[in-house]
Amino acid sequence: GAGVSQSPRYKVAKRGQDVALRCDPISGHVSLFWYQQALGQGPEFLTYFQNEAQLDKSGLPSDRFFAERPEGSVSTLKIQRTQQEDSAVYLCASSLTILTGAGDKETQYFGPGTRLLVL
Amino acid sequence: AQSVTQLGSHVSVSEGALVLLRCNYSSSVPPYLFWYVQYPNQGLQLLLKYTSAATLVKGINGFEAEFKKSETSFHLTKPSAHMSDAAEYFCAVSDIAGTASKLTFGTGTRLQVTL
Repeated sequence: GAGVSQSPRYKVAKRGQDVALRCDPISGHVSLFWYQQALGQGPEFLTYFQNEAQLDKSGLPSDRFFAERPEGSVSTLKIQRTQQEDSAVYLCASSLTILTGAGDKETQYFGPGTRLLVL
Repeated sequence: AQSVTQLGSHVSVSEGALVLLRCNYSSSVPPYLFWYVQYPNQGLQLLLKYTSAATLVKGINGFEAEFKKSETSFHLTKPSAHMSDAAEYFCAVSDIAGTASKLTFGTGTRLQVTL
């Protein structure tokens, strides 16, 4: 596909269940980001991968959140023992290059998101 | 730490009127600044970005924004609003000195366009 895809698009979970959210970045994109967007808010950074390496996970709200990208392409965000406050849209974004010494940035392309509702 | 403030969570304009969405940033280093648009149930689409080249940046769909360092602002404008412009708009800042180009977003401005 031409863009970033995410699945499922919608997920309803009972409190305490584990969920897994998938992100397929644009082919060949080195960088991958996860963001959490609560209702009525802007997206907030969760974690960042450069290929398969997770270089920044400072935004993960608790140890119940875990992300991986084992082969440097598809990424999975896992939330264990979901809580109601985890209800949000989870956005994935990818960009072509890594950060260079010149500070050259590449555009982040966003997927449609997964809307998670925890009951 | 970087931050973005978007003044006005809701803006309503008439079709054909000027669109002005405000964004002020805070950054300890020269920032990269972005405007994204989000339509209902869709992801974010980049409208335009400032990366320390020209201070007046032109984007898609007739939008443009001007970087004003003295005012720490990056307001988004469009001369004539169209019904299809109705959406949520997010301003974001990226730390060019950081180890990752993660984005810090504002809380968004919902643009309504009326007939």
